[in-house]
Order: sequence, then structure tokens, then C-alpha cells
Amino acid sequence: AQSVTQLGSHVSVSEGALVLLRCNYSSSVPPYLFWYVQYPNQGLQLLLKYTSAATLVKGINGFEAEFKKSETSFHLTKPSAHMSDAAEYFCAVSDSNSGYALNFGKGTSLLVTP
Amino acid sequence: GAVVSQHPSWVICKSGTSVKIECRSLDFQATTMFWYRQFPKQSLMLMATSNEGSKATYEQGVEKDKFLINHASLTLSTLTVTSAHPEDSSFYICSARVGTNYGYTFGSGTRLTVV
Repeated sequence: AQSVTQLGSHVSVSEGALVLLRCNYSSSVPPYLFWYVQYPNQGLQLLLKYTSAATLVKGINGFEAEFKKSETSFHLTKPSAHMSDAAEYFCAVSDSNSGYALNFGKGTSLLVTP
Repeated sequence: GAVVSQHPSWVICKSGTSVKIECRSLDFQATTMFWYRQFPKQSLMLMATSNEGSKATYEQGVEKDKFLINHASLTLSTLTVTSAHPEDSSFYICSARVGTNYGYTFGSGTRLTVV
């Protein structure tokens, strides 16, 4: 079964600093990978997704992620953090074996300090 | 486009009663609906996958007799929490695949509180 592991349940960065949220996946077939953001008491918003095209994926709000098959990783980055980036971030994977259901990581809470 | 309308957005019920949550696809046909549960400050856990016109497939550890899923049409899937107990209090979210490019749309979620 496929799965994702998000390293670091909490990440704190200063405003203007680089944001790096880590995600490693496990899948026996080609995976499709996603990053979602969730603000308090709100639903999920898609940041970006990898669907076997370009390995470097650019998303909304300046976020991007790189699919590295050799490292089974799909880390999320943003060059300069804004206060408004503070939220919960979820990495998710789907594949044909799961019936294309999204399986989510445990999430990383991003705190941005002034 | 590709909107899933989920109702109710919140519900409070007494222990032992049943609650039905509806997810309607408004502008597309949802062949498959996924149901998730999210406890406070935790991730979304896949509960079950429902396909229109067939029985739902439940994830390991999810009681199929407690969480009844019906997907009788291409635009409506329902989750009924039967004989609800306080430990069933959670945020329930439905999701459907959209299009052919691995897009997913999510309902806005239902916050269930069992007292």
C-alpha cells in the first residue's frame, strides 16, 4: 500500500526565510503526489501536484516541489515565507493500486515568525 | 466548476442517534467518492471509497455497519453514522476525482459532535 511520511510535525521559520517541508512517499507503482494547505477551520486547498510530467512542479502562492524518484521524495519549498503562509500542510499520494484514493501524510504545521 | 456540496456543515446529535451526511456533485458526475475523517489537529484518514451503484470499500479498522455509505446516483453519495457515540465526533470530508488529470475536489466538511 502506498503511504507518505512528512518529517517534522511542526516547522518554524522567520518571515522572509526559506520554507522547506519534507515529504517522502512509498508506492509500488508510479505515484501521483500532491501538496495541500489547510487554514484553521477551513477545507483543503491544492497547492500543486505531480502527475508524471515535469519533475519540478510550480504551484500557487510561490510554492514549488520537486519529484525525486531516487530519493522517493516530494519536498515542498518556498523561497521567502510570508506570515500568511502559516497553516497546516499535507502531502498526499494516490496511485492505481489505491483506486486513486488520496492518502495523506500526518501534516506539518508551519509557523512563521516576524 | 467541479463543486461538491456537502451538508450539513455541522451537526450536534445525541448519543445513540444516527446522522446522515450528504455530498452532491453539482456540475459533474462523481463516479467515485472518497470519505475521510479528520480528528482535531490530525490528518485526513481515508474511511471508504464508494462507487456509484456498488458497495463501498472500507479501509481496515472502519466499521462498515457503523458508517453506512450509499452512492446510489452519480451526483449523490451519503454517509450515515449509525448509533453515534462521542468518540465518533470528528470532521468528515468527502472528495471526488475530477477529470482525467488527477484533480480532486473536496466537500467543505461536516463537523459532527455527539453529546
